[in-house]
Amino acid sequence: QVQLQESGPGLVKPSGTLSLTCAVSGASMRSGKWWSWVRQPPGKGLEWIGEIYHSGRTNYNPSLESRVTISGDMSKNQLSLKMTSVTAADTAVYYCASTDEDGSAEYWGQGSLVTVSS
Amino acid sequence: QSVLTQPPSVSGAPGQRVTISCAGSSSNIGAGFDVHWYQQLPGTAPKLLIYGNFNRPSGVPDRFSGSKSGTSASLAITGLQAEDEAEYYCQSYDNSLSGLYVFGTGTKVTVL
Repeated sequence: QVQLQESGPGLVKPSGTLSLTCAVSGASMRSGKWWSWVRQPPGKGLEWIGEIYHSGRTNYNPSLESRVTISGDMSKNQLSLKMTSVTAADTAVYYCASTDEDGSAEYWGQGSLVTVSS
Repeated sequence: QSVLTQPPSVSGAPGQRVTISCAGSSSNIGAGFDVHWYQQLPGTAPKLLIYGNFNRPSGVPDRFSGSKSGTSASLAITGLQAEDEAEYYCQSYDNSLSGLYVFGTGTKVTVL
């Protein structure tokens, strides 16, 4: 059973950098899947942030690309998300997920709430 | 930013059939990209319900079915049960603006 677990600070100051890590167990990140980040502002819908393949190839949401970096540590079987210059609009629950080639995400972490506030 | 439009809410009595529409365009569903559906219970992560337009992952009841036609897709729930009360999202790929995965606006299903 694939399990994903997000971790990181729950509070980030405006203009600061949001950093989250997702630990993957039950599957190798070197398998033929993409590893994604999705976020959900409180009371709102889902927004795809980006994804990484085991080769290191990444794809990003164009609206966030200038502020986001997704990286992976295959030896530790974990992926990371960094988002710079955050504002209150970045307050959300951040999920990591394993994604097939068609974009469907079967396995999700439980989510990590990040609040941007001074 | 959602380019996939869903009705905000649908409701039905236990045992009834409800459908949720997902309206897209020629740059996503109409371009032939697959549609996936997720169920999200309050306070929990989304759960994959349908992938590749009409396929169910192992463990998903056959009460849930997906279809796609032209620039739109639909999720049908037959034999509605109280436990189906949740938020539902469609997802596809959009090849405009360098490409990205997009989610629908979400539909709240209420079991009366």
